Amino acid sequence: AQRVTQPEKLLSVFKGAPVELKCNYSYSGSPELFWYVQYSRQRLQLLLRHISRESIKGFTADLNKGETSFHLKKPFAQEEDSAMYYCALSVQGAQKLVFGQGTRLTINP
Amino acid sequence: EPEVTQTPSHQVTQMGQEVILRCVPISNHLYFYWYRQILGQKVEFLVSFYNNEISEKSEIFDDQFSVERPDGSNFTLKIRSTKLEDSAMYFCASRDTWVYGYTFGSGTRLTVV
Repeated sequence: AQRVTQPEKLLSVFKGAPVELKCNYSYSGSPELFWYVQYSRQRLQLLLRHISRESIKGFTADLNKGETSFHLKKPFAQEEDSAMYYCALSVQGAQKLVFGQGTRLTINP
Repeated sequence: EPEVTQTPSHQVTQMGQEVILRCVPISNHLYFYWYRQILGQKVEFLVSFYNNEISEKSEIFDDQFSVERPDGSNFTLKIRSTKLEDSAMYFCASRDTWVYGYTFGSGTRLTVV
C-alpha cells in the first residue's frame, strides 16, 4: 500500500532562515509526488508537482528515489509562508491522492 | 483562475439525517473526487468518479455514501444516515488530465450532533 509520512507536525523557523519540510513515501513503483499548501481558512492549493521541476514562491522539491523522499525546501522563509503543508502521492493508473499528515509551518518575525 | 465551488461551507445536521454536499467542478475537467479530513487528522480519499461512474472508492465509502453527477455540472456526495463520526471537512476536487494535479474546493464542514 502507498503511504506518505511527514514526520514533523509542527515546524517553526525565523523569517529569513532556511526551511525544509520533510516527506517520505512508501511505494515500490514510480509515484507522482505533490506538495499542497493550505493557508488559514483557505482551500488546498497545489504548490509543486515533481514532474514539472518548477519553483513556486521560492519553494523547490526534489524527488529522491533512493531515499524515497520529496522534501520541500526554501532558502529564505517569509512570514506569508506560514501555512499547513501536505505532501501527497499518486500512482499512475490509480485515481486517488494519498496524503501525509501535514506539517504546520510557522514563520516567526 | 477557474475554481471548484462547494456548498454549503458549513452544515450542521442531526445524527441519522441525510445530507447532500454539493460541488461544481471546473467545467472542462473529467475526473471528480471527494476527500474528507477529520479534525486533526490527514486528508483521506473517499471516492473518484469518471465517465459517470465510480472508478475507485476507499473502505470509508460504505453503503451510506453515494455520489452523483445529476446534471452535467454538479457533483454531489450524499450521506444517507449520518453518524457522529462523519463530522469532518469534506473536500471536492477535480482534474483534467493525469499530469496537472487536482484542484480542490474550499470544503464543507459537516458537523453531526
